[in-house]
Amino acid sequence: QSVLTQPPSVSAAPGQKVSISCSGSGSNIGNNYVSWYQQLPGTAPKLLIFDSNKRPSGIPDRFSGSKSGTSATLDITGLQTGDEADYYCGTWDTSLGTFYWVFGGGTKLTVL
Amino acid sequence: EVQLVESGGGLAQPGRSLRLSCSASGFTFGDFGLSWFRQAPGKGLEWVGFIRDKVYGETLEYAASVKDRFTISRDDSKSIAYLQMNSLKTEDTAVYYCTRTWGIEVRPDYWGQGTLVTVSS
Repeated sequence: QSVLTQPPSVSAAPGQKVSISCSGSGSNIGNNYVSWYQQLPGTAPKLLIFDSNKRPSGIPDRFSGSKSGTSATLDITGLQTGDEADYYCGTWDTSLGTFYWVFGGGTKLTVL
Repeated sequence: EVQLVESGGGLAQPGRSLRLSCSASGFTFGDFGLSWFRQAPGKGLEWVGFIRDKVYGETLEYAASVKDRFTISRDDSKSIAYLQMNSLKTEDTAVYYCTRTWGIEVRPDYWGQGTLVTVSS
């Protein structure tokens, strides 16, 4: 059971927009920045979004992130077949008196 | 170009030990923290632990599932981080990734390609 909650799957047609949600609590998303990672099949995760809404260099502006309260959202516009991947949200949590990283269970994106 | 390369994975029997290495290049190793994550077959990402950089006292934290069994260390002179795994259990079977991290919050940015650890008798 993951600390952060994501939908198991989303799908949309090429060229369309999709949103992936990530829900947490006050001890994680509510007070901290969120990162998003893309994991293409058979590869390592890659950072897409950091500090909830910033993109590393080289990440297209089709990918954007936002945060409100204890939830975060990853938006992908102009979907391409190459975007088919698992997407994970992550942040840090301090609810147990120590510092640790938590993730959502991942969302599988299918581009129909 | 930032690169992280894990090695040392393989097959181990329950109760035995294994040491993973993470060799880094393309950045000033000592200026960053290092984290280890794992991903069991067909499952999501799980944080294993981290070691901060010197600025933050090289402090360590571990997930409850591996605390007292796993140890993270770093050798800044060689740009290598290690994950010593003792008393391995079948549930430790996973691909292990090392990541470069930044800030006191040890936020992961670059990931290695991963190394598979299989714990089985």
